[in-house]
Amino acid sequence: DAGVIQSPRHEVTEMGQEVTLRCKPISGHNSLFWYRQTMMRGLELLIYFNNNVPIDDSGMPEDRFSAKMPNASFSTLKIQPSEPRDSAVYFCASSLETQYGYTFGSGTRLTVV
Amino acid sequence: KQEVTQIPAALSVPEGENLVLNCSFTDSAIYNLQWFRQDPGKGLTSLLLIQSSQREQTSGRLNASLDKSSGRSTLYIAASQPGDSATYLCAGGNQGGKLIFGQGTELSVKP
Repeated sequence: DAGVIQSPRHEVTEMGQEVTLRCKPISGHNSLFWYRQTMMRGLELLIYFNNNVPIDDSGMPEDRFSAKMPNASFSTLKIQPSEPRDSAVYFCASSLETQYGYTFGSGTRLTVV
Repeated sequence: KQEVTQIPAALSVPEGENLVLNCSFTDSAIYNLQWFRQDPGKGLTSLLLIQSSQREQTSGRLNASLDKSSGRSTLYIAASQPGDSATYLCAGGNQGGKLIFGQGTELSVKP
């Protein structure tokens, strides 16, 4: 298995632009999580899906952030419009039932200038 | 609300030492606890997962324990090596799958 695949690996964009981050979970996993990591705040859960349904989006910072999971093999996290304070590493993770733990992707490093 | 704390924030040891990393959590109704390793600029690698019904898990030179009553978990690394240098993160999970992470311990093992 190729693991959790995220794209792009790096994204540099100008303030105000729309940014879309993509994630392909491990085949067969039924839960998907989006995290953001910064030096100041560490790892924060933004949103997670179970069987493609959003379960908890209380970590989504603002209405500028939205996430979708149209099918079991694909999810997107969109920021529109982007701001410099959104600069962070965004991780996607998936799991097959929580008792088996998480597998993380390599992350997308977002820089908004 | 679950809060996870890791002490120390950074640790430097000479090669060969045995060491213990500490993790504490506020909500004893934890479903599981997971330890991860993160190398600079990389993603997270899962090391050990302890279910709430378990007391410890072992993998090679690593041993993780869980004490729900005291709200603590430890990660023991035996015979440390320079390749163990990384940031170690613990995370407490609830039954719904939500993981709350500590801030991590940055470990440096000197040759």
